[in-house]
Amino acid sequence: GAGVSQSPSNKVTEKGKDVELRCDPISGHTALYWYRQSLGQGLEFLIYFQGNSAPDKSGLPSDRFSAERTGGSVSTLTIQRTQQEDSAVYLCASSTRQGSNTEAFFGQGTRLTVV
Amino acid sequence: AQSVTQLGSHVSVSEGALVLLRCNYSSSVPPYLFWYVQYPNQGLQLLLKYTTGATLVKGINGFEAEFKKSETSFHLTKPSAHMSDAAEYFCAVSGGYQKVTFGTGTKLQVIP
Repeated sequence: GAGVSQSPSNKVTEKGKDVELRCDPISGHTALYWYRQSLGQGLEFLIYFQGNSAPDKSGLPSDRFSAERTGGSVSTLTIQRTQQEDSAVYLCASSTRQGSNTEAFFGQGTRLTVV
Repeated sequence: AQSVTQLGSHVSVSEGALVLLRCNYSSSVPPYLFWYVQYPNQGLQLLLKYTTGATLVKGINGFEAEFKKSETSFHLTKPSAHMSDAAEYFCAVSGGYQKVTFGTGTKLQVIP
C-alpha cells in the first residue's frame, strides 16, 4: 500500500482479554516502531524493529506486552490480560532504515478501549 | 544515545501572533532533525526536516525551523498563527545507526 496501515482502527475489549493490533508498514521499510499515546499524553516508545536485528524492547511497559514482526514486514503488537490503563491510541511507524535522513511514516493508529 | 527536549508541554498564542515551539536535542553524531504535527484524532505527519545543507528549513503551512548546532536547537516558528494550527507538535532526532527519538510533544492552542 501507499502508507502505513493499522488495523483495527478501533478496538473495545473487556478487561482481562488479550488483544492483537496489526501494522502493515510501507513496502521496503526495514525499520518499524510502535508507540502509545494515552489520553492527553505524548508519544511513549514501546518497541523498535530494524531489519534482522534483535528488537529494541526497552519501552514495553510490562511483560503483558509483546510484539513480533514476521518476514521483516507485518508486525503484531499483543497485549495480554488487558487492563484499563492500557486504553490508549497505539501508533505504528516505519522508515527506510535506522539513522536515516528520511522520516518515519505513521499509521492512523488503533484506538484501544478496555472496559 | 540521542534525546530531544521540548520546552513547554502547552503553548498558547493569539491568532495572528508569532508561533515559537522550542526543541533542543542531544546527539553524538550529526543529527537529522524533524518536526511532526498531529491534528486531533489523526496520526502524525511530517512538517519539515533538516538533514544537511541549509540550516533554515521551510515546511508546510508556513512553518519553518532553524538548525543551530552551537545551541543544539531546532526551534519551530511561524510568523502568524491560524486557528487551524491548533495541534500537537513533536520534535524528533535521528542519525548514525540509532532509531528516531521523539520529544514529548507541545500542544499549541490558538486563541481567537
